[in-house]
Amino acid sequence: DADVTQTPRNRITKTGKRIMLECSQTKGHDRMYWYRQDPGLGLRLIYYSFDVKDINKGEISDGYSVSRQAQAKFSLSLESAIPNQTALYFCATTSGSALYNEQFFGPGTRLTVL
Amino acid sequence: GENVEQHPSTLSVQEGDSAVIKCTYSDSASNYFPWYKQELGKRPQLIIDIRSNVGEKKDQRIAVTLNKTAKHFSLHITETQPEDSAVYFCAASPNSGYALNFGKGTSLLVTP
Repeated sequence: DADVTQTPRNRITKTGKRIMLECSQTKGHDRMYWYRQDPGLGLRLIYYSFDVKDINKGEISDGYSVSRQAQAKFSLSLESAIPNQTALYFCATTSGSALYNEQFFGPGTRLTVL
Repeated sequence: GENVEQHPSTLSVQEGDSAVIKCTYSDSASNYFPWYKQELGKRPQLIIDIRSNVGEKKDQRIAVTLNKTAKHFSLHITETQPEDSAVYFCAASPNSGYALNFGKGTSLLVTP
């Protein structure tokens, strides 16, 4: 969905480096999420935010931090990257106001930590 | 927290046959159950969802059934086509708009 964008799309980094993944959306949604996808493990929730002042840990938040700079922007940081953080990362958004709330995913960021 | 189990992990069917993917969940507070399809190299996209006040929902060749007492729900694809080949994920949530707890996915292959 072109309304949810992620940068970069691909990133190779080294162990110990700090890296930031960015997500932007033009859907006007208030709720944003970061998921991690590993083969055979599905999508696991890292962090989520229901508005600019709200940040919540998900299932696998250790080693990650997030920042909700604005309603439309939600960034994921790896403070000191390690090889087992190599994965495909998806940002998703939804509206908290509608009765039925499809989550819209960004195109993903493929991160490789050497 | 919620635990969603999905079976099978891989499924191969012939074109025209039906495919069924089953999921169970653990949290009785869950009442929103979406299904996502992820084609190779693409993002997950919602194909159908169901709420706990409904037992079945259908959209053309796709249907989802929900048994809230048994805490399981299933995706049914009839008259499968090669373009149905993808990874399918079930998910559960206490409400739509909340974070989703995903199953581990089913890789469906439809052979001509």
